[in-house]
Parts: sequence; structure tokens; C-alpha cells
Amino acid sequence: EVRLLESGGGLVQPGGSLRLSCAASGFTFSSYVMNWVRQAPGKGLEWVSGIGGSGDNTYYTDSVKGRFTVSRDNSKNTLYLQMNSLRAEDTAVFFCAKGFRYQLSNVFDIWGLGTMVTVSS
Amino acid sequence: QSALTQPRSVSGSPGQSVTISCAGTSSDVGFYTYVSWYQHHPGKAPKLMIYDVTKRPSGVPDRFSGSKSGNTASLTISGLQAEDEADYYCCSYGNNYRVVFGGGTKVTV
Repeated sequence: EVRLLESGGGLVQPGGSLRLSCAASGFTFSSYVMNWVRQAPGKGLEWVSGIGGSGDNTYYTDSVKGRFTVSRDNSKNTLYLQMNSLRAEDTAVFFCAKGFRYQLSNVFDIWGLGTMVTVSS
Repeated sequence: QSALTQPRSVSGSPGQSVTISCAGTSSDVGFYTYVSWYQHHPGKAPKLMIYDVTKRPSGVPDRFSGSKSGNTASLTISGLQAEDEADYYCCSYGNNYRVVFGGGTKVTV
């Protein structure tokens, strides 16, 4: 069964850091772009970041550039998102999403259930 | 990176058809044949319904169809069923490695 399971969310103060993980199973992890998509409370979906299958190519939405770092460990079938300098507006459910293709695209065929990140003092 | 524009809500009776529009620009929806649509029941994982404007993944009923004209894409749900009540998001690939979602449309049956 193809599955994605996020972890690492929680409550963090503004300016703090958090690392999210996404454990993948049921497919050849290294063959696909992996992504993070978030949903702030009462808001819509927002693509945050993507990473190529080898980990060499990374992509970010403008609002997180310089603060968030995406990475992957293909030996562990795990995707990560290191989030630094967190702001209140980063409060959201963060979903891990498998890309449909090897290159970055807008097609996400498998999603996890998400992990909640709350940035508040 | 501006979001694509969708209506906040649409509604229809069981058996009817509804169409959700998704307005972008010549740098995303209008330029690429890369529009996808996602169904999201709150608290659950989003589900891919349409990709590459018109393609349906295996398992998605043919009641769901996609189209595009110029800078605007559309999702049509024919023969509405109660389980179709959900939030729907369009998504496009854009210039300079951008991926942009619409603001979402709540479908009420």
C-alpha cells in the first residue's frame, strides 16, 4: 500500500524552528519529486516546497525562501522540511505529497494526512 | 505568487451538474497544459481528481471532467452525488518553477 506519514508538528514560538518528517512506503521513493503543501486554518492549499528525486534540485514558494529547507534521505524513504525563523503566518497543517513525475509538476497523486504546526507565543 | 481565482462556493441538487472555474494568467493556466484538480474533505488527505487539464486518474468516476479555454480552466461534476460535497482546488504549474493553487471552492449538494 502506498502511504505517506507526516510527523514533527507542534507548538513553537515565533522565531523558533521545527523539523517535519514524512515517511514514505509502497513506491520507489527516489524516483519521484516530493513536495510539502500547507493549509492555514480556514484557508486554501498552498504549495510550499518540492525536491527532485536525487535531492539535487529544490524549489520553494517565495514566502519561505531563506527560512525553510527541504531535504530527503532516499536510504530511509523519508522527506524532511527544516523550518527556521517561523512566523505566525506559518501556522498550518503541512501535508506531504508525492509528485506524479520525476520533475517538478503540479500533479500530486498521493498525500499524507498532515501534521499541524502552530506558531504562537 | 498569486493564487488562481475560484468561486468561493457552488451548489447543486443530486443528479445535477456543476462547473467550477479557475482563472489564472498567461504565465500559468494559459501557458501550460498542466492544470490539476483536487477534492478535499476536511480532516482527510486531498485527492487528485484531474491532471493535465483533462486526464482522470484510475478510480476517479467519469462524472468528473476538466477543460481549459485561454487562461481559465474548469472542472465539471455531472450527476452530482452526496459524497461529492467537499472543497475543490485547482492547481497549475507556472513559470520559474512555480506551483500555484486556487483559493478553493466549496461544493454543496
